[in-house]
Formats: sequence, C-alpha cells, structure tokens
Amino acid sequence: AQTVTQSQPEMSVQEAETVTLSCTYDTSESNYYLFWYKQPPSRQMILVIRQEAYKQQNATENRFSVNFQKAAKSFSLKISDSQLGDTAMYFCAYNTGTASKLTFGTGTRLQVTL
Amino acid sequence: DAGVTQSPTHLIKTRGQQVTLRCSPKSGHDTVSWYQQALGQGPQFIFQYYEEEERQRGNFPDRFSGHQFPNYSSELNVNALLLGDSALYLCASSFRGSYTGELFFGEGSRLTVL
Repeated sequence: AQTVTQSQPEMSVQEAETVTLSCTYDTSESNYYLFWYKQPPSRQMILVIRQEAYKQQNATENRFSVNFQKAAKSFSLKISDSQLGDTAMYFCAYNTGTASKLTFGTGTRLQVTL
Repeated sequence: DAGVTQSPTHLIKTRGQQVTLRCSPKSGHDTVSWYQQALGQGPQFIFQYYEEEERQRGNFPDRFSGHQFPNYSSELNVNALLLGDSALYLCASSFRGSYTGELFFGEGSRLTVL
C-alpha cells in the first residue's frame, strides 16, 4: 500500500526567510505523481506544485520548489521569501494518475511570522 | 470558469440521521472523488465516480454511498450518522484522460454530528 509521511507537524518561519517541509513516501509503482497542496483556514485545498516521477528535473513554481529524490522516496518543498499569506496547512500527496486515489500525508502546519 | 462547487457549506445533524452532500465538478471534468478530512488530519479517500459508476472505494463502511449524474455532478450520502462522521467532506474533480494527475478541490462541506 502506498503511504505518505510528513514528520513535521508544525513549523514556523519569519517573513522573507526560507523554509523546507519534508515528505517521504512508499510505493512499488514506477510512474506516479507527487503533489504539495496548501490548505489555508478558508479550507479549500490549493495545488502548490506537482512533480512527475519520470522527470528528473525538480519542479519549480515561483517561490516554491521541490527536492525530489526518487531513490530515497523523498519529496521536500522549499518556500523562499516566505510571506504571511503562506501561513496554512501543507499536505504532501501521491497518486498514479487521475484514475487513482490521492493519498495524503498528515500535514505540516506552517506559521509565517513578522 | 467555475471551479468545483459544493453544497451545503455547513450543516448540523444528530446521530442516526442521514445526510446528502452535493458536488459540481470543474467544467470539462468527468471524474469526481470524495474525501473525508477529520480535524487536524489529512484527507482520506472515500470513493471515486466515473461514467456514473463507483470505480474505487476506500476503507469506509456501506453507510457511505454515492451517485454520479449524467452531467458529472455527484452526491455523497451518509446513513445512520455517528459522532465520528463529523468532518470536512471534500469533493475533488479531474479529467480521466489527463496526464497531470492533478485533482481540483472544492471548499468542502463541514458536517457536525451531535
């Protein structure tokens, strides 16, 4: 069974600093997708960044980037120049395509402070 | 372009009652999945509907049932409500033929069982 593990329940970072959220996963599949979703207090799950397992290049989206280590089954999220609006729950998630279920980690609560 | 819409946003029920939650997928999407998110936890997969049939199911009892209509909208029904059913219920939509694996989420329906 696929599992996703986030070992940091809570993290705090000062505005404009950089923070890294950790995620590990377990799968026997050779091709799959990894995601970081953000869930602010408004509740809606918003996609932050996506990585396809067959692509070796790490995905980047503006201030957000990932460190994808396929052999280690690690998928960390780096947020640069943190902003107050980045305060939210962050979930790491995995699937093998839109026909498969999305498996989530337990989340990391990120607080950005002044 | 409307995203995923869910109704109602909040509702309160008592133990033993039945509830129906509704979801309209993002335009162009044909697959709808439902997730249960308990407070402070990551979402858990309930089931997925495609072509009006349940295609995958998570580890949820038969009290949880669903339906997909020809216009791709979906309902989640929960019978004989228990206190433990109190949660945020998230609907996610996707296009079956997508190569991105991405799911789009609604804002959720917050169910409180008293």
